[in-house]
Amino acid sequence: AQSVTQLDSQVPVFEEAPVELRCNYSSSVSVYLFWYVQYPNQGLQLLLKYLSGSTLVESINGFEAEFNKSQTSFHLRKPSVHISDTAEYFCAVTEEVTGFQKLVFGTGTRLLVSP
Amino acid sequence: NAGVTQTPKFQVLKTGQSMTLQCAQDMNHNSMYWYRQDPGMGLRLIYYSASEGTTDKGEVPNGYNVSRLNKREFSLRLESAAPSQTSVYFCASSEVLAGGEQFFGPGTRLTVL
Repeated sequence: AQSVTQLDSQVPVFEEAPVELRCNYSSSVSVYLFWYVQYPNQGLQLLLKYLSGSTLVESINGFEAEFNKSQTSFHLRKPSVHISDTAEYFCAVTEEVTGFQKLVFGTGTRLLVSP
Repeated sequence: NAGVTQTPKFQVLKTGQSMTLQCAQDMNHNSMYWYRQDPGMGLRLIYYSASEGTTDKGEVPNGYNVSRLNKREFSLRLESAAPSQTSVYFCASSEVLAGGEQFFGPGTRLTVL
């Protein structure tokens, strides 16, 4: 069975500082990996995803994540955060073998950006 | 396009009452899902419908039932609400394609007293 671990429940950071949100997964088969973001009082939105190819994937707002198969990780990074990045971030995994999109989510990391 | 819509936005129930949460999508997606979100637990899948006419249990189905009314609509019913069902409920939809994006509704905040 798949599982996702996000060890940090909350990450406080100052504006313009770099940040890394950690995600580790377990699965016995090839996986697809996702980061979703949830802004206050909203539903989740896809931030970025890894399906295949380059292990480094980027979002349009400056976030990036690197798939590391040997460490079973998919950490999310941003070199310089903004106040508007304050949100909860969820890592999710689905198995490549299934033709159906059944995601398993981590418990989330709340990113708090202060001035 | 409205995307995924959910009604109601907020609801307060007494223990034992029943209610139905409604979800509709206008993206012509085949698959739809119901999740609950609780603090420190992330999102947990309650039920899903891979395609019109099929429904299956997810991780936490007890106390819930679902109906895939047509391709657009997927409802979640609580027959006899319990305080443990106090949560935020999200509906989502996607294509039947591993690796595809799930699109989420704005959520329903349910409190059971």
